[in-house]
Amino acid sequence: ETGVTQSPTHLIKTRGQQVTLRCSSQSGHNTVSWYQQALGQGPQFIFQYYREEENGRGNFPPRFSGLQFPNYSSELNVNALELDDSALYLCASSPNSGTSITDTQYFGPGTRLTVL
Amino acid sequence: AQSVTQLGSHVSVSEGALVLLRCNYSSSVPPYLFWYVQYPNQGLQLLLKYTSAATLVKGINGFEAEFKKSETSFHLTKPSAHMSDAAEYFCAVTHQAGTALIFGKGTTLSVSS
Repeated sequence: ETGVTQSPTHLIKTRGQQVTLRCSSQSGHNTVSWYQQALGQGPQFIFQYYREEENGRGNFPPRFSGLQFPNYSSELNVNALELDDSALYLCASSPNSGTSITDTQYFGPGTRLTVL
Repeated sequence: AQSVTQLGSHVSVSEGALVLLRCNYSSSVPPYLFWYVQYPNQGLQLLLKYTSAATLVKGINGFEAEFKKSETSFHLTKPSAHMSDAAEYFCAVTHQAGTALIFGKGTTLSVSS
């Protein structure tokens, strides 16, 4: 069984640019959540996708957007990058959305984004 | 609103000593509680979870946690620390399984020989 994978592992961008991060969910999982982890902090929830629809959003501006595809993989897009967007971006997948106590989120290794 | 407070940003123990990492939560509804571990340059790995069944939860690698509603706590313990336990530990809460996790700021565990 393949776990959650993310690409790329590292990325360097300059302020004002746009970036796309990718996530492949664990086999059998139809829900993907994205988190931002700044250095020395706990992860913060960005948004969640369930069966290709946004299913909850944290306190992040609209320049953070996402997609989920029919195979349940997902993208996180960030426009107009700012220096404070430098962080580890974590993707987590789970079997379904809020319908079972077994809906544990399993995390990928993350993408380290540096904005210069 | 839900929140998690992890007391102590850094805990140091000797190999073989008891590990105790503290987590207090705030939630207006019955919570689901989790402990995750993060090794350097890696993602988060689930250690254990509380989902309103048994209040004493056993996880992987010899860790366990006890849900105490009266104290709004979910402290993580391990009887005997191993060098490989050195990592960052995060406590998290959610009000509904599978939805957004609210994380604490983390506790760094150091283990010395």
